[in-house]
Formats: sequence, structure tokens, C-alpha cells
Amino acid sequence: EAQVTQNPRYLITVTGKKLTVTCSQNMNHEYMSWYRQDPGLGLRQIYYSMNVEVTDKGDVPEGYKVSRKEKRNFPLILESPSPNQTSLYFCASSFRGARGYTFGSGTRLTVV
Amino acid sequence: GQQLNQSPQSMFIQEGEDVSMNCTSSSIFNTWLWYKQDPGEGPVLLIALYKAGELTSNGRLTAQFGITRKDSFLNISASIPSDVGIYFCAGQLPILYGGSQGNLIFGKGTKLSVKP
Repeated sequence: EAQVTQNPRYLITVTGKKLTVTCSQNMNHEYMSWYRQDPGLGLRQIYYSMNVEVTDKGDVPEGYKVSRKEKRNFPLILESPSPNQTSLYFCASSFRGARGYTFGSGTRLTVV
Repeated sequence: GQQLNQSPQSMFIQEGEDVSMNCTSSSIFNTWLWYKQDPGEGPVLLIALYKAGELTSNGRLTAQFGITRKDSFLNISASIPSDVGIYFCAGQLPILYGGSQGNLIFGKGTKLSVKP
């Protein structure tokens, strides 16, 4: 089944403890992206990648890192999480740019 | 960054009613997309629009890419209970306006609920 898989689905962590949210897609898509969703703010793009080793900042990249060493994987790294990064995170992938991202089921992150 | 203004923020529907929502921007876009999000899930693409003036249907859903390239609307005809959810518009800025192939901007969503 064609899908974008994120792990974990839920995560509670403490301020400053490094964490990684994994994302994998099995559709051989070139483009991958991370969004965060907050009440009243909709979906905001954190980072995106156009191919292996090619990444670019979205609208809210501060406090996040990404890497794209393989086509199928696009992990999101929070080196020193803070409470304002408590949010619902979505990974997405697309064959052709932003024309129709396919989204994962989300990761709900709480930083205390 | 660039913002998309989506309205209404929320609305209540009764089964059988038609529903309209729209999205506007101060900049032109070269792609408009409409997504639906069910509780606990990621957004799912409903309709994609690539040309100014384009009108596209997907079952009971119809969306249009505005002539000015600064707006789009989504209509749902004869709504049913499973239409409940959050609908998002999304757009891609032209490269000349600071956009890129991977950069998709979302509106804040329209929440559809059932009338009590």
C-alpha cells in the first residue's frame, strides 16, 4: 500500500532532550516535507526536500533540522525541544513538487 | 511569510445543504489545492487546480481557480454527514514571487460541523 509512515504517533518529552521523528515513504517520491499544525494557525511548512541531499527552509524552520540521505526517508530532528514546539507534526511526500502532497497520519508531540 | 485567507473559519451544515468556502491571497498563485482532514488523520487531497479559470469537479465537490489567480473556492453539493471535517486550501507561489516546487502554503482551514 502506497503510504507515508511517521513514527512515533505520540511523544511526550522534556525540554532540551534531543528527539527525532522518522518519516518514510514507499512511493519513490522525490519531494518530501514537514509541516506543523497548531489550533487557529493551520498547517505551516517547516522544511522540505526536493531530492536526496537537497533541502530548503519552509516558513517556520527555527529549532528544527532535517536530513535527506536516502530518497525514502526524511527525519525531523529537534536538537533541544522547547514547549513552544508542542504541536501536531505531519510528514508529506510528492512525486512532482508541491502538486498534491500525500500526508502521513501525524505525530503529536508534547514538550514539558 | 505569505498568507492565505480562508473563510469561513467554521460552519454548520444540515444534511442535504450546499456548502461554499473560499480562499484569497494578496499574491498570485500558480497552483491551488483543496484538502480535507478527518479527526486523527493527515489531510487528504480532494482537488488540484493548475490554470486560472479552471473549474474541476470530484463527485459532489467543485472547485475553481480564480481568474485573477488570487483566489479559489470550493463547493460541496447536497452535503452528507461524512463531509464533516476541516477543509484546507493550499497554494504554490510562482518562482518569480519567491515560491519553489516544494513550498506549499496552507490556509487556516474551514471546520465543517453538523447542525445540532
